[in-house]
Amino acid sequence: AQKVTQAQTEISVVEKEDVTLDCVYETRDTTYYLFWYKQPPSGELVFLIRRNSFDEQNEISGRYSWNFQKSTSSFNFTITASQVVDSAVYFCALSEAGPPLVFGKGTRLSVIA
Amino acid sequence: DVKVTQSSRYLVKRTGEKVFLECVQDMDHENMFWYRQDPGLGLRLIYFSYDVKMKEKGDIPEGYSVSREKKERFSLILESASTNQTSMYLCASSFSGEVQETQYFGPGTRLLVL
Repeated sequence: AQKVTQAQTEISVVEKEDVTLDCVYETRDTTYYLFWYKQPPSGELVFLIRRNSFDEQNEISGRYSWNFQKSTSSFNFTITASQVVDSAVYFCALSEAGPPLVFGKGTRLSVIA
Repeated sequence: DVKVTQSSRYLVKRTGEKVFLECVQDMDHENMFWYRQDPGLGLRLIYFSYDVKMKEKGDIPEGYSVSREKKERFSLILESASTNQTSMYLCASSFSGEVQETQYFGPGTRLLVL
């Protein structure tokens, strides 16, 4: 069965600090996809990234970066030089053979000015 | 840009009422989904649909039904609302043209059942 664990329930950082959100997953499949979504206070989930199991290259997009390590079944998300606008709940999700996603319980990030 | 809209942002209903939550997407996506989100529990899948008039149960379908008469519209129905259905409801859609397509979400409906 698929499972996604986000052990950090809440994180609070001061603006400009770097912060890493952890995501550990479980799957028996060799082919799977991992996702990160952001949910700002407005409520809508915003897609950030999708990564397939065959691509272990790290990804960088502006201040965001993702570290995918199959050896530890982790797909961690780092925000560099955090800003107040980064305050949100972040969800990691996993998909195997079909569209339904399995979500972690989310990490609430608070960035304090 | 993908646009997923939900009929209401906030809704207050009484126990026993029949409640309709509507979701519309404008990207001709085949797949549509309904989730509920509760503190500490994350997102849980209620129902999803791969095509018009097709539906599949998710993890927590009890107390809910769905309707997909048109490709762009996916309705969630609470036949007889109960207080334990007070929650945030999120609709999503995705394209079937590629494996593990990305889901795009609507703004959510916060439902309060009194």
